[in-house]
Amino acid sequence: EADIYQTPRYLVIGTGKKITLECSQTMGHDKMYWYQQDPGMELHLIHYSYGVNSTEKGDLSSESTVSRIRTEHFPLTLESARPSHTSQYLCASSELFGDQPQHFGDGTRLSIL
Amino acid sequence: QKEVEQNSGPLSVPEGAIASLNCTYSDRGSQSFFWYRQYSGKSPELIMFIYSNGDKEDGRFTAQLNKASQYVSLLIRDSQPSDSATYLCAVPLYSNFGNEKLTFGTGTRLTIIP
Repeated sequence: EADIYQTPRYLVIGTGKKITLECSQTMGHDKMYWYQQDPGMELHLIHYSYGVNSTEKGDLSSESTVSRIRTEHFPLTLESARPSHTSQYLCASSELFGDQPQHFGDGTRLSIL
Repeated sequence: QKEVEQNSGPLSVPEGAIASLNCTYSDRGSQSFFWYRQYSGKSPELIMFIYSNGDKEDGRFTAQLNKASQYVSLLIRDSQPSDSATYLCAVPLYSNFGNEKLTFGTGTRLTIIP
């Protein structure tokens, strides 16, 4: 059973605020990912990491940044939130080697006013 | 051409019938294939995976893989209203550097009609 946690589940906040979305997993997975998904639309990979101190930008350009200081923790930060950042953000993790599936957290639904 | 391609639907199937979902992929080197189910407003949930050519059955779900034709399908027998969701196909694709990246299709929205 996958154990990956995202907080907060919902966040409504004003424009210009700094936001950090938290993602933690207890499975010891080396790979972690952040996706952005609007309602009824496809998943877009925005960041991924293959281990501590490894971060890469994904397929969709994003103004967010990520860090990977600990294996279990992969936070995503928006320095100055804008209404265009309103979306659902999904975190996932997987094992490093082999073709392994990704396991998703419950997501954070972000609304910027 | 997209690397992982699915019909977006919506696909409407009567309750009790078989729902058939299809996915094609571009990388002949892909070795494993995953199906996820995503309910509206929820995160994707892994429901099936298949590594070998042929069929793999799990309850009402059957995954079918044909590597020569580069397609994978998901059959849902005895469809129930609770099967109404978006189904995502995911395939590891390999870059020139040999790193694999699990790539998701855009998903097929399935509606089971009571």
